Amino acid sequence: DTGVSQDPRHKITKRGQNVTFRCDPISEHNRLYWYRQTLGQGPEFLTYFQNEAQLEKSRLLSDRFSAERPKGSFSTLEIQRTEQGDSAMYLCASSSWDRGNREQYFGPGTRLTVT
Amino acid sequence: SQKIEQNSEALNIQEGKTATLTCNYTNYSPAYLQWYRQDPGRGPVFLLLIRENEKEKRKERLKVTFDTTLKQSLFHITASQPADSATYLCAPLGAGSYQLTFGKGTKLSVIP
Repeated sequence: DTGVSQDPRHKITKRGQNVTFRCDPISEHNRLYWYRQTLGQGPEFLTYFQNEAQLEKSRLLSDRFSAERPKGSFSTLEIQRTEQGDSAMYLCASSSWDRGNREQYFGPGTRLTVT
Repeated sequence: SQKIEQNSEALNIQEGKTATLTCNYTNYSPAYLQWYRQDPGRGPVFLLLIRENEKEKRKERLKVTFDTTLKQSLFHITASQPADSATYLCAPLGAGSYQLTFGKGTKLSVIP
């Protein structure tokens, strides 16, 4: 198992364009999370999935953001009509709820720059 | 609203000394408290989790304490090494919650 992977690692886009990020969690993990991190801040929760169900969304997740996890495997996060304020590191994490594990395993992140 | 404060943005210590990082929280009664390490340009890495009914937890050179009365967790690295230089994040977690709420982190620099 190679851990959580994210693609792309870096994305530069122009304001108003749509972008999509992908996250592949650790294979046996049934929970998947998205966070956003800006410089000098800790990661902020965006949303999470248990299997294919999206169970919670932060109010940070405006209607321009949408996340999916078809078939409970990989997940995608799409941002429509990007704004400069969307520039951040987008982190994906996964965890296994079996045995009550609470620790989350993070991917390397996708750094988004909106020009 | 919930507030998480980590004692300082940056902490410089000499190699071999013990580093102590503080995490204070308000308007919160977490059942767990987690500590993560983050290197520049990378995702956080889980280090330790301590439960509300545990006073102390150790892992190799790391030690975490959890005082629910003071609403505080202390994170210690003994015999610190330059390789310990990183940003350390604390994240309290409610009993029925899955989303982590992180502090801003403390950037630790261990000077040879």
